[in-house]
Order: sequence, then C-alpha cells, then structure tokens
Amino acid sequence: NAGVTQTPKFQVLKTGQSMTLQCAQDMNHNSMYWYRQDPGMGLRLIYYSASEGTTDKGEVPNGYNVSRLNKREFSLRLESAAPSQTSVYFCASSLIGDGYTFGSGTRLTVV
Amino acid sequence: GESVGLHLPTLSVQEGDNSIINCAYSNSASDYFIWYKQESGKGPQFIIDIRSNMDKRQGQRVTVLLNKTVKHLSLQIAATQPGDSAVYFCAENRRDSGGGADGLTFGKGTHLIIQP
Repeated sequence: NAGVTQTPKFQVLKTGQSMTLQCAQDMNHNSMYWYRQDPGMGLRLIYYSASEGTTDKGEVPNGYNVSRLNKREFSLRLESAAPSQTSVYFCASSLIGDGYTFGSGTRLTVV
Repeated sequence: GESVGLHLPTLSVQEGDNSIINCAYSNSASDYFIWYKQESGKGPQFIIDIRSNMDKRQGQRVTVLLNKTVKHLSLQIAATQPGDSAVYFCAENRRDSGGGADGLTFGKGTHLIIQP
C-alpha cells in the first residue's frame, strides 16, 4: 500500500538545467496533481490531470510541463530550471475530486 | 481573487487543552473542504473533511465546523497532545464548469504549538 510515490526526494540543479519529477499512485485514482510549496506558505497547484489523457493548468504553471503517462503516472518537467523554482513539490491523487492523497515531496534547489 | 485563508499564523496551547483553528474562504461555489496536518519534512496528511451540505462533522478527537453564511471553517482538536504539533491547512475543492474537480486551493496554514 505505497499510495503516492515521488522520485527523487531531493535534487539540486544548476540554473538552466532540465529535469523530470516522477509520480506514481497505486490506488487506481482518476485524477492527479502537482503542487509546489514555498516556505511558510500553503500548496499551490501547478498542473493537474482530471483523468488519463487530459492535463490542465493550475494556478502557477509557467516554467513547467506535465505528462500523464498512464493512469498511474504523472510527471512534472522543468525544461530550464530557475532559482524561483526552488521549492518542495508534492504530487497528489484523488478518485473523483475527493479523498486526496499526497506524496512525501521532492525538495528541489536551483542554484 | 478567490482564496482560502487563515486568521492566525501561530497558535500556542497547553497540552490537554482544546485547540480551535480557523479558516475563512471566499469561493461560495466550493462544495468540499478538507483539513490537513503537515509535519516538518512531510507531505500533507488528511485529518477530516466536510461537504457543503453539512455544518458539522466529527472524527476521533477532531471536529470540523462549516458556516456557509459567513464562509468560515474551523477545526477543533480535543485534548491536544504533543504529537498534534504541526502546521494545519484548510483546503477547498474547486469544481470546473463541467463539475469535475480541478484541484484544491490551500490556505497559508496555522502552526500549532503544544506547550507542556
């Protein structure tokens, strides 16, 4: 019963580098989400996928892209990392918009 | 813009006392609200939720109250314990025009500190 699994847990990037954050859920949830959390703040929605094959922008999508690879997996890509993208990233999933489950987060530092 | 916010950034209570954490929301179209607990270095952990057709819901040591008239949500924790120390977030579930869920909107959080 892993729930939502994120990899990697920690990452340091140089400005301009690219990387992909991976997320997988084993609860057969339809919807998946990517959030970022900055110090002393709540989570903000970057992108979401209401169902397999669809993706939509959230509150702060600039600088990111996503791919819903299949029902289980939803990845977040930074094409050219910037220091402003230093944050903790959380992936979440839900069945039909309730019962959200969060991963343990990826701590990303861009130098 | 529409947002979910909290009244107090930090709340300090004595161990054994009851805690009340408040949240104001402004999106009257939200139909589902959740309280999360977040410990340092961890992801948000579900505590309790409530739908907009209810005004109160109880769990184990926790109660959520929803006042739609004034758009106010509160979390009550009974007999607080050291393990309750964490940041607590309220979140509202938005619905898109088709009725699908388009993610949670979080408040900034309240840091609950339990004094021995």
